[in-house]
Amino acid sequence: DQQVKQNSPSLSVQEGRISILNCDYTNSMFDYFLWYKKYPAEGPTFLISISSIKDKNEDGRFTVFLNKSAKHLSLHIVPSQPGDSAVYFCAASPNAGNNRKLIWGLGTSLAVNP
Amino acid sequence: EAQVTQNPRYLITVTGKKLTVTCSQNMNHEYMSWYRQDPGLGLRQIYYSMNVEVTDKGDVPEGYKVSRKEKRNFPLILESPSPNQTSLYFCASSLSGFEKLFFGSGTQLSVL
Repeated sequence: DQQVKQNSPSLSVQEGRISILNCDYTNSMFDYFLWYKKYPAEGPTFLISISSIKDKNEDGRFTVFLNKSAKHLSLHIVPSQPGDSAVYFCAASPNAGNNRKLIWGLGTSLAVNP
Repeated sequence: EAQVTQNPRYLITVTGKKLTVTCSQNMNHEYMSWYRQDPGLGLRQIYYSMNVEVTDKGDVPEGYKVSRKEKRNFPLILESPSPNQTSLYFCASSLSGFEKLFFGSGTQLSVL
């Protein structure tokens, strides 16, 4: 039972356009969300995060939006660059005191075409 | 340079032959964790450690052991590997359990 779902396995966009990666979750106890980026033959690297007390967090070209009522978050990359081509993982953490953990989505492979 | 180092990167072994995958971090992180990544199943946590001498099971701990004798190292031990443990393994560390994990480059393990 996937608690964090990335329904699009892949996405292709043109360089300079906006990339929108989506993530849905089912557990209302999740209160912290993160996006990681993974290149082939490397481990995932942290990209951006958002707490459930916010609905938007921005870091340069990357913005994460959180819609708690819809249990949906999205990552916007503007403008997209060829170097952004990677697999993007959404992860969520439930409010569970000291024993927090991350629940991961299966990833979306983004291809940015020159 | 801040990093998490795993070794080896690739390992082919046979069923039942004990092996250890090493993991070391140089960021003085208290939290360390092991994940495995399998097609269609994503990243699943095997074991984690909140601090030295403190380890606990993740979601898929069967067939694995870990130890945390010192802060920087968190080896993953497969006492009797089986083919269903063929996977891509990642070690990760962070200041806390869920914020900004730093991952190693991965270990591709094949058990024949």
